[in-house]
Amino acid sequence: AQKITQTQPGMFVQEKEAVTLDCTYDTSDQSYGLFWYKQPSSGEMIFLIYQGSYDEQNATEGRYSLNFQKARKSANLVISASQLGDSAMYFCAMREGFGGGSNYKLTFGKGTLLTVNP
Amino acid sequence: DGGITQSPKYLFRKEGQNVTLSCEQNLNHDAMYWYRQDPGQGLRLIYYSQIVNDFQKGDIAEGYSVSREKKESFPLTVTSAQKNPTAFYLCASSQWVDQPQHFGDGTRLSIL
Repeated sequence: AQKITQTQPGMFVQEKEAVTLDCTYDTSDQSYGLFWYKQPSSGEMIFLIYQGSYDEQNATEGRYSLNFQKARKSANLVISASQLGDSAMYFCAMREGFGGGSNYKLTFGKGTLLTVNP
Repeated sequence: DGGITQSPKYLFRKEGQNVTLSCEQNLNHDAMYWYRQDPGQGLRLIYYSQIVNDFQKGDIAEGYSVSREKKESFPLTVTSAQKNPTAFYLCASSQWVDQPQHFGDGTRLSIL
């Protein structure tokens, strides 16, 4: 079974509107972390936002917020007031466990291609 | 400015040839990683290293080798045993387990 599932291969949004990118995860660990990255067409990976499994509040970073629903094992990224520069691939990733070597690893989903229309 | 430098940006490999991708960081991070990205896919972990002189295989290590002789450097060798090496390779580093990984700009490897 996939550990990170992003069900939307592509999404379109009008400039200045909000958009939600879906991410569900699968883990039996109690301690884990969820990350969102943006990858423009140039290829670099840009960190956007992080949510720890024990964080009680949803993470926010500027126009980005993470809608964390632990019971549903979902960690959706919400981008408010979309801009043309937001057009890119977006990846959800998970770090499992705590303590020991393997928990430095991230498992990535296959990504969602967001297109912002003017 | 602190960051991760990958070189070269583009690399071409001949059949039966080993090639080495460079990754250098000046962020003073302990952990470093190599990922492979195929078109339309997410990133898959090749190797990672938490400290100097130590590294572990990731999910797709076959046909690749690494070394970690210095904290700031983590070169990846794509050997002739890797039969399908054409991909985008990304190097990353992080300090602590809950800190985000910082990525380089990547190297695109193609077969001649």
